[in-house]
Amino acid sequence: DAGVTQSPTHLIKTRGQQVTLRCSPKSGHDTVSWYQQALGQGPQFIFQYYEEEERQRGNFPDRFSGHQFPNYSSELNVNALLLGDSALYLCASSSGQKYGYTFGSGTRLTVV
Amino acid sequence: KQEVTQIPAALSVPEGENLVLNCSFTDSAIYNLQWFRQDPGKGLTSLLLIQSSQREQTSGRLNASLDKSSGRSTLYIAASQPGDSATYLCAVRPGGGGTASKLTFGTGTRLQVTL
Repeated sequence: DAGVTQSPTHLIKTRGQQVTLRCSPKSGHDTVSWYQQALGQGPQFIFQYYEEEERQRGNFPDRFSGHQFPNYSSELNVNALLLGDSALYLCASSSGQKYGYTFGSGTRLTVV
Repeated sequence: KQEVTQIPAALSVPEGENLVLNCSFTDSAIYNLQWFRQDPGKGLTSLLLIQSSQREQTSGRLNASLDKSSGRSTLYIAASQPGDSATYLCAVRPGGGGTASKLTFGTGTRLQVTL
């Protein structure tokens, strides 16, 4: 049973560019959340998608946007990249409140 | 606003030792608490999930306890091995309605088990 799949694994972008990260949730999961993890820090919540709608959003600017597709997969888009956007981006999926989250291996984004 | 603190930030122990990692949270209105392991540059691997109604959960050499009223959880690792070296993160999920909600993480405890 495949877990959470993220692509790409690594990415290097230039300041000002735009980037799209992708996530396929674990089979049976319908909710996808995105987190940003800076070096040496705990993951910070970006937003969560359920039934193709953004259900919750963390303290991130509008440059961060997302989408969930009918098959529950999701994309995270970041516009006008800043050097400070360099981080590990983690996708997590879940189903229902009772059960825990399953995380993917992450996408390492470097902005130069 | 929920805040999660993990102590110590880093820990180095010789192989075979039993150890305890601590996690505290400021808002006791949680739904559950999850412990994760993270290897350098990698994603998170779930270790244990404790519901707010539970006191502890066990998996192999790992035991996690939860005292919701005092806002504390501990992760006990028995007979530590070099392969246990990683960063351990705790995360709390808030209570209330809704089908899902965000996790609030601590900054982690970086564990090194030496030979």
